[in-house]
Amino acid sequence: DAKTTQPNSMESNEEEPVHLPCNHSTISGTDYIHWYRQLPSQGPEYVIHGLTSNVNNRMASLAIAEDRKSSTLILHRATLRDAAVYYCIPPAGNTGKLIFGQGTTLQVKP
Amino acid sequence: EAQVTQNPRYLITVTGKKLTVTCSQNMNHEYMSWYRQDPGLGLRQIYYSMNVEVTDKGDVPEGYKVSRKEKRNFPLILESPSPNQTSLYFCASSYRGRGPGDNEQFFGPGTRLTVL
Repeated sequence: DAKTTQPNSMESNEEEPVHLPCNHSTISGTDYIHWYRQLPSQGPEYVIHGLTSNVNNRMASLAIAEDRKSSTLILHRATLRDAAVYYCIPPAGNTGKLIFGQGTTLQVKP
Repeated sequence: EAQVTQNPRYLITVTGKKLTVTCSQNMNHEYMSWYRQDPGLGLRQIYYSMNVEVTDKGDVPEGYKVSRKEKRNFPLILESPSPNQTSLYFCASSYRGRGPGDNEQFFGPGTRLTVL
């Protein structure tokens, strides 16, 4: 299984941008990178996924390095509701299995 | 509203007493799976199903059974629960599309199980 590396924790102030990094040096050229988050006492929630170029949706942006060995999840304006564990997830393969590591615990301060 | 539902949300039971945790989705998804979440171990896949009557083992299937008789339902069965199955359980679903790994997966709210 491919692996990802993320910082254990990060802090942000409310209304400021947050950049959550992830290293995924072992993924292959056709594999998507997914990001999920888990708010306290809830199930994981899809955030965004991408293959090569930058991706945007209503929740976040995903910047993928040109060599695809790393990516950065960008929350443009963090809110208190964005406090969660953010998981950078390597390709699931044919089984659809999502490999959740320890993730990055994001704390948002008012 | 598109959602994955699980029942019960909380359950305390005793060793050996068979139980079923239900999972249902209303999005017509082909793919469904079960995970357990334990402190320090993260989420681990128990079983998955690519479609009706097609199921397969994940990483930690021992002590669990599943069935997929209908597209919308994917129950998790513990025939003889033991204390090491005390955990937080999540069901997930998605379209298969190119492959379930390429699609957004929707998770249920979780079932917290305690086996005494």
